[in-house]
Amino acid sequence: DTAVSQTPKYLVTQMGNDKSIKCEQNLGHDTMYWYKQDSKKFLKIMFSYNNKELIINETVPNRFSPKSPDKAHLNLHINSLELGDSAVYFCASSLSRTDTQYFGPGTRLTVL
Amino acid sequence: AQSVAQPEDQVNVAEGNPLTVKCTYSVSGNPYLFWYVQYPNRGLQFLLKYITGDNLVKGSYGFEAEFNKSQTSFHLKKPSALVSDSALYFCAVRDMGSSGTYKYIFGTGTRLKVLA
Repeated sequence: DTAVSQTPKYLVTQMGNDKSIKCEQNLGHDTMYWYKQDSKKFLKIMFSYNNKELIINETVPNRFSPKSPDKAHLNLHINSLELGDSAVYFCASSLSRTDTQYFGPGTRLTVL
Repeated sequence: AQSVAQPEDQVNVAEGNPLTVKCTYSVSGNPYLFWYVQYPNRGLQFLLKYITGDNLVKGSYGFEAEFNKSQTSFHLKKPSALVSDSALYFCAVRDMGSSGTYKYIFGTGTRLKVLA
């Protein structure tokens, strides 16, 4: 069974559209993350939630809004998509006391 | 601010030879260090971590890493490389965020290519 899952796997959309990426983990973890990996494979944290509470919010445009309806889910909504948003977005989760993160398979977002 | 550096973009090694992927770090306190591997079109997978204790940490798939405090390094090693080890490897360090919570800073990644 998949531990951390993301949908969709691929997302192709036009500039200016609004889109969402969903993430779910069935590991019983209390902390979830969103990362962005650019075309050069640089990986940068965007957000982190612990027990549904936002604890890390890096310098990310406010067009990006994470939402955590419960501890097992962390969704990412993006408004007014721009070309520079094209990247692979990874969701991850961890148990706060152990630090080891488990990553989802990624969502490849292409903005045309 | 804490940081982590991977000085090599790519490492090539012949199958059966030992491999080393380098990582150096900068921290203000005791470091929490991690290695992750990313296979093509996949998410990152945890390999090993150092928090405290023995400087030589053993992880998945026969990998190990040596924590060296004086050189501020945490190099990833394997005694005998396999073609299937070819992947992108990330070193990471735990940092204290501005809100007093932890976040993880990843290095820029090193592509390992094992040649048959």
